[in-house]
Amino acid sequence: GENVEQHPSTLSVQEGDSAVIKCTYSDSASNYFPWYKQELGKRPQLIIDIRSNVGEKKDQRIAVTLNKTAKHFSLHITETQPEDSAVYFCAASSGSARQLTFGSGTQLTVLP
Amino acid sequence: EAQVTQNPRYLITVTGKKLTVTCSQNMNHEYMSWYRQDPGLGLRQIYYSMNVEVTDKGDVPEGYKVSRKEKRNFPLILESPSPNQTSLYFCASSSSGGVGTEAFFGQGTRLTVV
Repeated sequence: GENVEQHPSTLSVQEGDSAVIKCTYSDSASNYFPWYKQELGKRPQLIIDIRSNVGEKKDQRIAVTLNKTAKHFSLHITETQPEDSAVYFCAASSGSARQLTFGSGTQLTVLP
Repeated sequence: EAQVTQNPRYLITVTGKKLTVTCSQNMNHEYMSWYRQDPGLGLRQIYYSMNVEVTDKGDVPEGYKVSRKEKRNFPLILESPSPNQTSLYFCASSSSGGVGTEAFFGQGTRLTVV
């Protein structure tokens, strides 16, 4: 089955700096890569996703890049703000069963 | 309002006492699943369902059962809970269209087995 590794497990940045979280996956058949944000005590919520026919996608301050050859994808957050502090999960899916395999999560802390 | 609703939100139980966590969605989604969240391990899938009467094991199904008798409901059953099932549980649903669709999560159920 699919295996998703996520790094780093914790990340602290100064407000206004950029943050990058990286994930690798094992199943070359995976074709859908979402990122979820989980604030303290809340449910995970989708913030951005990318499909295998696209190399990069951007939505305001967040962007995701995908390298299918290397089987890795990354989340980039620019101009970080305190409200970006949360746990971020990457995930991969091969689509047919809609099984999402999640990474272990990254605790992002944005220091004021 | 589109939502996934889990009950209860918090539950403390004793080893061996059967329990059910309910999950209901109002978005007419075909696909539903259960995850458990443990520190350092992320979200691990327990069971999933492609549609009514169609269920399959995820990555960590041992000790759990599910059923999908109606499209909107997907209960998680622990026949004989053990302390290693202490965890935060999430139900999620998504539609079946296209390559990858957003998974909507319930608010979570924090289960403690003593």
